[in-house]
Amino acid sequence: EVQLVESGGGLVQPGGSLRLSCAASGFTFSSYWMHWVRQAPGKGLVWVSRINSDGSGTTYADSVKGRFTISRDNAKNTLYLQMNSLRAEDTAVYYCARSSGSYGNYWGQGTLVTVSS
Amino acid sequence: DIQMTQSPSSVSASVGDSVTITCRASQGISSWLAWYQQKPGRAPKLLIYTASSLQSGVPSRFSGSGSGTDFTLTISSLQPEDSATYYCQQANSFPFTFGQGTRLEIK
Repeated sequence: EVQLVESGGGLVQPGGSLRLSCAASGFTFSSYWMHWVRQAPGKGLVWVSRINSDGSGTTYADSVKGRFTISRDNAKNTLYLQMNSLRAEDTAVYYCARSSGSYGNYWGQGTLVTVSS
Repeated sequence: DIQMTQSPSSVSASVGDSVTITCRASQGISSWLAWYQQKPGRAPKLLIYTASSLQSGVPSRFSGSGSGTDFTLTISSLQPEDSATYYCQQANSFPFTFGQGTRLEIK
């Protein structure tokens, strides 16, 4: 069974940093692109970033470019999102998703990041 | 960036009815479009990919169509469990972008 479990969310002050993790199981992690998608409270879905299967290619939304870094450790079956210089508008539930043909066909349950003083 | 515009923003229908949700892209995206269903407090669930392909395990009352800039999601024979918010997403080019969502209420 495919499982994606996010962790690392929490309360952080503006300007602070946080690293999210997404532990994958039930499939060959190293074969799939992965994505991060976020959802602010009561708002819609926003795509954040993607990484290809071997970690050599990444893409970011303009709103996080230069502040967030996506990475993966295929030996540990884990996806990461390093978030620096956090802003109030980064407050959201962050989902990791496994990509199949560019579409997120498996999603984690999400982890809440709150940026507030 | 490609903008995705959904309509309506909300819709109410009865069990057994059919509902159609529209998604328009600001530029052509061929058939690189997905539809997701999201229930409160839950992760999104992929329903339709490549505009019209039904994801495994999704009931056949869900169907998608369109190409280029105009797409539709049709839900026929509505069931109570179809109450949710539905999002389209383009996967033609980065950044991938979502529509603003359509909230479906089952009367």
